[in-house]
Amino acid sequence: DAGITQSPRHKVTETGTPVTLRCHQTENHRYMYWYRQDPGHGLRLIHYSYGVKDTDKGEVSDGYSVSRSKTEDFLLTLESATSSQTSVYFCAIGTGGLGTEAFFGQGTRLTVV
Amino acid sequence: GQQVMQIPQYQHVQEGEDFTTYCNSSTTLSNIQWYKQRPGGHPVFLIQLVKSGEVKKQKRLTFQFGEAKKNSSLHITATQTTDVGTYFCAGTLQGAQKLVFGQGTRLTINP
Repeated sequence: DAGITQSPRHKVTETGTPVTLRCHQTENHRYMYWYRQDPGHGLRLIHYSYGVKDTDKGEVSDGYSVSRSKTEDFLLTLESATSSQTSVYFCAIGTGGLGTEAFFGQGTRLTVV
Repeated sequence: GQQVMQIPQYQHVQEGEDFTTYCNSSTTLSNIQWYKQRPGGHPVFLIQLVKSGEVKKQKRLTFQFGEAKKNSSLHITATQTTDVGTYFCAGTLQGAQKLVFGQGTRLTINP
């Protein structure tokens, strides 16, 4: 597996609290992505990054922000968590643009109560 | 709405039977990728198809990309219990820089 680490792996948080998920890679890949996975929806792109401090929105970006201050780290922040953001979050990395293969992390299961 | 549709959502087969999942897009795709996710695991890249009408094989798995580059299929011959999981297609829409995933087909197998 590609060198991708997501933390935490599991988190339970209360509605209205901020939450930050971290994705760390050791592959020096340019592209990093955050997806959420929900039953019946497959994987939906939240935000992606194509370089340090270069990010863009995906399909379901409302309520989420990201930051990439170093090549190896891509942070996903839920500014004020809601129950609809209960999901499994996957980070992925890639060598090229969005059309190239993605290598996924182990996932973070987030529950908002 | 969902731009890449995948059917069926679920499929249960007897071990040894064949399995096929289909992926359809409303718009032309630049390429199509297939991923497999084992229960409790993360998606793992299987293959990418780029050319119109392309067919690729990996042992018992056959992948096809339609002539119009709007649909694709994954066929597994003589399923084995190790094939259990959810199979996702993912396409890059032409003119866009976005990899869109289908909803996935969850395959379960009766040994």
